[in-house]
Amino acid sequence: GNSVTQMEGPVTLSEEAFLTINCTYTATGYPSLFWYVQYPGEGLQLLLKATKADDKGSNKGFEATYRKETTSFHLEKGSVQVSDSAVYFCALRTGANNLFFGTGTRLTVIP
Amino acid sequence: NAGVMQNPRHLVRRRGQEARLRCSPMKGHSHVYWYRQLPEEGLKFMVYLQKENIIDESGMPKERFSAEFPKEGPSILRIQQVVRGDSAAYFCASSPPGTSGPGNEQFFGPGTRLTVL
Repeated sequence: GNSVTQMEGPVTLSEEAFLTINCTYTATGYPSLFWYVQYPGEGLQLLLKATKADDKGSNKGFEATYRKETTSFHLEKGSVQVSDSAVYFCALRTGANNLFFGTGTRLTVIP
Repeated sequence: NAGVMQNPRHLVRRRGQEARLRCSPMKGHSHVYWYRQLPEEGLKFMVYLQKENIIDESGMPKERFSAEFPKEGPSILRIQQVVRGDSAAYFCASSPPGTSGPGNEQFFGPGTRLTVL
């Protein structure tokens, strides 16, 4: 079946620290992979995506590379800001129309 | 272009009452998805609808839950005889027609937080 396993949080970092949030998946078929971000009190926003192996998705300084050999899609940012504090969800989508989400990782960045 | 709209944002019901959650997709979008987020968990797919049709309801509980997306008006997720375990955030997402491929984006609304007393 389809599932996503995410690094458990919460994660607390100082401003300008390096961020990694691990995500691994199992999927039937060839999935597309996504990172969504949820700011307090808001819905999910697409942060980045990758649709095939070795693709790198990037946005707002965040990056993630689709690694088929390790079934991973780890999220990274070189220098986090206070405004990056949010919950981050890794997700996949195969031929079906719905997304499969991980449990989310809460990130808090302190000044 | 307004985003996906959901209302109400917060809904409180007593056990046994009915809850109606509304979702207006982005303009021009004809695909609607409902997801449920239980406390401290990720979102779980419930149902996928196109105008006047339920395409995939594999994530819907078998009883008390129903969804519709009429030709005119918003999509409605209806929960009858609510129980405490229904307390969750319910998110709606939409996508344009012709975007059923796995790489295409779903746009999410802000969610409705249902609390059952």
